[in-house]
Amino acid sequence: EVQLVESGGGLVQPGGSLRLSCAASGLSVSNFSMDWVRQAPGKGLECVSSISNSDKIYYADSVKGRFTISRDNAKNSLYLQMNSLRDEDTAMYYCARGSNWGQGTLVAVSS
Amino acid sequence: VVMTQSPLSLPVTLGQPASISCRSSQSLVHSDGNTYFHWFQQRPGQSPRRLIYKVSKRESGVPDSFSGSGSGTDFTLNISRVEADDVGVYYCMQNTHWPRTFGQGTKVEIK
Repeated sequence: EVQLVESGGGLVQPGGSLRLSCAASGLSVSNFSMDWVRQAPGKGLECVSSISNSDKIYYADSVKGRFTISRDNAKNSLYLQMNSLRDEDTAMYYCARGSNWGQGTLVAVSS
Repeated sequence: VVMTQSPLSLPVTLGQPASISCRSSQSLVHSDGNTYFHWFQQRPGQSPRRLIYKVSKRESGVPDSFSGSGSGTDFTLNISRVEADDVGVYYCMQNTHWPRTFGQGTKVEIK
């Protein structure tokens, strides 16, 4: 059974940083394209960053230059380093691959 | 690839059918011949769950009241008889073209 478990969310002031983690079991993060998808309160789904199995990387324009996606194959984990956080980054962040989604980790940016 | 859903709000009477449309800004037929178009359901307070994959294939455990159809750029999700358990937001999604993109979501509620 595939499981994706996110962690690392929390309350942070504008301009601050957070590092989200996604621990995977039942699949190898190195073999698949993996995504970070966020959902702002009351809003829809937005793919903010993806990493392909060939290390091609995508960032949404809204996070380009501030967020960095990476993975650790030995730990079978996906990461999202988020710097220079803004109020509008407040959202639930999901780790996702195909039909598999985690439970999400909540990021709140507020002074 | 821009995904456009309609309607964005869908009040339905219990036991009655419901239909959601999704249009993509370009063809979703992959070079391998598959169409990587999917439907997700998000119940209140839950992570998104994939209902339908590759246009018309139901995930395990999804009631046969749900069906998907379409081709190219135009797709439809049908619910033959809406039940209380079907309340939530429905998203179309494509990953024929990288990165995956979502529709805006259609909120299904009971009248």
